[in-house]
Amino acid sequence: EVQLVESGGGLVQPGGSLRLSCAASGFTFSDHYMDWVRQAPGKGLEWVGRIRNKANSYTTEYAASVKGRFTISRDESKNSLYLQMNSLKTEDTAVYYCARGRRGAADFDYWGQGTLVTVSS
Amino acid sequence: DIQMTQSPSSLSASVGDRVTITCRASQGISNYLAWFQQKPGKAPKSLIYAASSLQSGVPSRFSGSGSGTDFTLTISSLQPEDFATYYCQQYNYYPFTFGPGTKVDIK
Repeated sequence: EVQLVESGGGLVQPGGSLRLSCAASGFTFSDHYMDWVRQAPGKGLEWVGRIRNKANSYTTEYAASVKGRFTISRDESKNSLYLQMNSLKTEDTAVYYCARGRRGAADFDYWGQGTLVTVSS
Repeated sequence: DIQMTQSPSSLSASVGDRVTITCRASQGISNYLAWFQQKPGKAPKSLIYAASSLQSGVPSRFSGSGSGTDFTLTISSLQPEDFATYYCQQYNYYPFTFGPGTKVDIK
């Protein structure tokens, strides 16, 4: 069974940093692209970024709103995906979801349950 | 960036009704269009990819169609568990973008 479990959310002050993790199980992690998507309270979905797999050199893509502040990485030995968030702003407050790219394709097929990040003083 | 719009923004329907939601892209995206279902307090669930292909385990009452800029999601016979918000998403161009959502509630 495919499972994606996010962790690391919490309360952080503006300008602070936080690292989110997504633990993957039930599939061959190294075969898949992985994404982060967020949802501000009461709002819609916003794509944050993607990291490709080893076969595609772990290259990354980011939304303009987070580029230069957020970094996506992965550790194949731990079957884990990460989102390092620096210079956090109040508008980064959201539930952050990790999502699996369908093998050999660009769309998502599985999502984690999400972790809440609150940026507030 | 590709802008995605959805209509209606909300609708009220009864169990057994046929429901259609439309999604429009600001420029052509071929068939790189996905649909997601989200219930309150829950993670999104993937329903359809490539505009018309059902994700594994999704009931056949869900169907998708379209190509280019105009797409539809149809629920042939609405079930109690289908009351939720539905989002479309284009994944042809970075940044990937979502529609604003269509909330389907009980009439």
